[in-house]
Amino acid sequence: AQSVTQLGSHVSVSEGALVLLRCNYSSSVPPYLFWYVQYPNQGLQLLLKYTTGATLVKGINGFEAEFKKSETSFHLTKPSAHMSDAAEYFCAVRAPNDYKLSFGAGTTVTVRA
Amino acid sequence: ETGVTQSPTHLIKTRGQQVTLRCSSQSGHNTVSWYQQALGQGPQFIFQYYREEENGRGNFPPRFSGLQFPNYSSELNVNALELDDSALYLCASSSSDRGLGGYTFGSGTRLTVV
Repeated sequence: AQSVTQLGSHVSVSEGALVLLRCNYSSSVPPYLFWYVQYPNQGLQLLLKYTTGATLVKGINGFEAEFKKSETSFHLTKPSAHMSDAAEYFCAVRAPNDYKLSFGAGTTVTVRA
Repeated sequence: ETGVTQSPTHLIKTRGQQVTLRCSSQSGHNTVSWYQQALGQGPQFIFQYYREEENGRGNFPPRFSGLQFPNYSSELNVNALELDDSALYLCASSSSDRGLGGYTFGSGTRLTVV
């Protein structure tokens, strides 16, 4: 079975500051990992995903995440926050041969001017 | 190419009623999954349809049911609505039943049960 824990339900950052969202997973098999963003009243948009290969994954809008197997983590970062990054972010895990995504509870990001 | 479209966008129903939500999958996608997102929570997997058959189900009671049509569009039906069914219902489509090509999510249907 797979599960995800997102540390911190709310994160507030200043515009231009580092964004760091934490995600730890539990999986009985090597997982596929995802980060999604959700803007108010919208669906989920894929930011990036890790399946196999390079453990540092670059996504859209300047985000990146690093898969650390020893720490069972997949933290999301962005060097410089922009006002448009204010949204809710979800980490998700899936077993390679499974069909369902298991999501964390989400982290709401607010960006201060 | 068109994305995933869901209808209606908002819906208010009374406890005990039945509701049908609709999803048109992205062009070229043959798999549709449904998720329930309660307020302040992450999405929870309801079930998945692949080539018109349900091929996976999460921890939801039988009053949650679905269909997939030959054009790969899908419906989610919920009978005997309860207050806790109030949530955002998300549909996601994929080009394979293992999501190898990734999932494309729709904007969701906001269901309120009163």
